[in-house]
Amino acid sequence: KNQVEQSPQSLIILEGKNCTLQCNYTVSPFSNLRWYKQDTGRGPVSLTIMTFSENTKSNGRYTATLDADTKQSSLHITASQLSDSASYICVVSDRGSTLGRLYFGRGTQLTVWP
Amino acid sequence: EADIYQTPRYLVIGTGKKITLECSQTMGHDKMYWYQQDPGMELHLIHYSYGVNSTEKGDLSSESTVSRIRTEHFPLTLESARPSHTSQYLCASSGRDQNQPQHFGDGTRLSIL
Repeated sequence: KNQVEQSPQSLIILEGKNCTLQCNYTVSPFSNLRWYKQDTGRGPVSLTIMTFSENTKSNGRYTATLDADTKQSSLHITASQLSDSASYICVVSDRGSTLGRLYFGRGTQLTVWP
Repeated sequence: EADIYQTPRYLVIGTGKKITLECSQTMGHDKMYWYQQDPGMELHLIHYSYGVNSTEKGDLSSESTVSRIRTEHFPLTLESARPSHTSQYLCASSGRDQNQPQHFGDGTRLSIL
């Protein structure tokens, strides 16, 4: 069964600190892995997309890594800001269909305290 | 910022009413999607479209229907709303390249009394 599991479910950190969010998946055949940020009451916004051949990608203070062999990804946030408080969703796409079926994790709820 | 818009943002309505949730995008994307999301849970695909006059049901069974008469417009309709339809509905669109992200609207939070 294709699944995406994220950990931790929730995380509280102090402003300025770093953190790392985890994503494990069983989706096969793999096409790409995406990280989205979803602010409360808003739609998800794409942070990064990585294909099979990419093992790291950065977007400002966000750095995603991918290990396609172990089917694991992480999202590292550097020097956190209050505006980083949001849900971070890991999404994996398969290449077994024309649509590119997406499998969503439940997200990690990050809270940054001043 | 992605140019995809959903209206209304919030809707509280009584049981049995007909509801249409609007979604429009100005990016010329062929593919459009409707997702349902409950608090703390993952997004579930309920409808998608490859282009004009194309509509397909997603993974989560839904009593809603969709239409795609124009590229930019993908409305979702509930003929008779029930309390079980209470949820957040997110619309998204994407281009032809599967390695490009889906762009999401800000959603409609629907509450059926």
